[in-house]
Amino acid sequence: DARVTQTPRHKVTEMGQEVTMRCQPILGHNTVFWYRQTMMQGLELLAYFRNRAPLDDSGMPKDRFSAEMPDATLATLKIQPSEPRDSAVYFCASGLVLGGSKNIQYFGAGTRLSVL
Amino acid sequence: ILNVEQSPQSLHVQEGDSTNFTCSFPSSNFYALHWYRWETAKSPEALFVMTLNGDEKKKGRISATLNTKEGYSYLYIKGSQPEDSATYLCAPSNQAGTALIFGKGTTLSVSS
Repeated sequence: DARVTQTPRHKVTEMGQEVTMRCQPILGHNTVFWYRQTMMQGLELLAYFRNRAPLDDSGMPKDRFSAEMPDATLATLKIQPSEPRDSAVYFCASGLVLGGSKNIQYFGAGTRLSVL
Repeated sequence: ILNVEQSPQSLHVQEGDSTNFTCSFPSSNFYALHWYRWETAKSPEALFVMTLNGDEKKKGRISATLNTKEGYSYLYIKGSQPEDSATYLCAPSNQAGTALIFGKGTTLSVSS
């Protein structure tokens, strides 16, 4: 049963600490997305990659957030330094985008981050 | 940036009621419209993808229609059940392969 795997599921940290969230996309998918769930914005796009190359990270606060794909099986989202306003659920999704594809995204279970 | 509006923001119905909600989006440069279902404490799951004006999709008691000329889609649930309780998100896209921009969703609560 192919699924997107996110770790950790929960993270509690203190303000100023570095936070790293990891995502293993579904094998064979070429596109990975990072979203953040907030009360005000709903599901907010942070960044996404195609074939490991960043396509758009305009939704991400550049001064403290960074997203990378070291290889095709791992995507990371880092926050350094973390702040209380970063507290949210962070979702990773993956999909297979080909010419004419429907671009369906499959979501991981999310990482619930609490910054104290 | 696509401006997506979903209404109502939330609604509460009784088991057996039929209901519908709306997703509005810019009609220019339309490529596809996605509906996702998001249960509490779970992840969003794809329901439908529609691309053509007049498209209708159905999955069990849930169906959706698409009007690309006027920029809206309706999601219908016939005979709502408690397990239909979830937030329903829509996301239009204006070209293949781009990230989906989700609306804030309609949260449905069905009481037995």
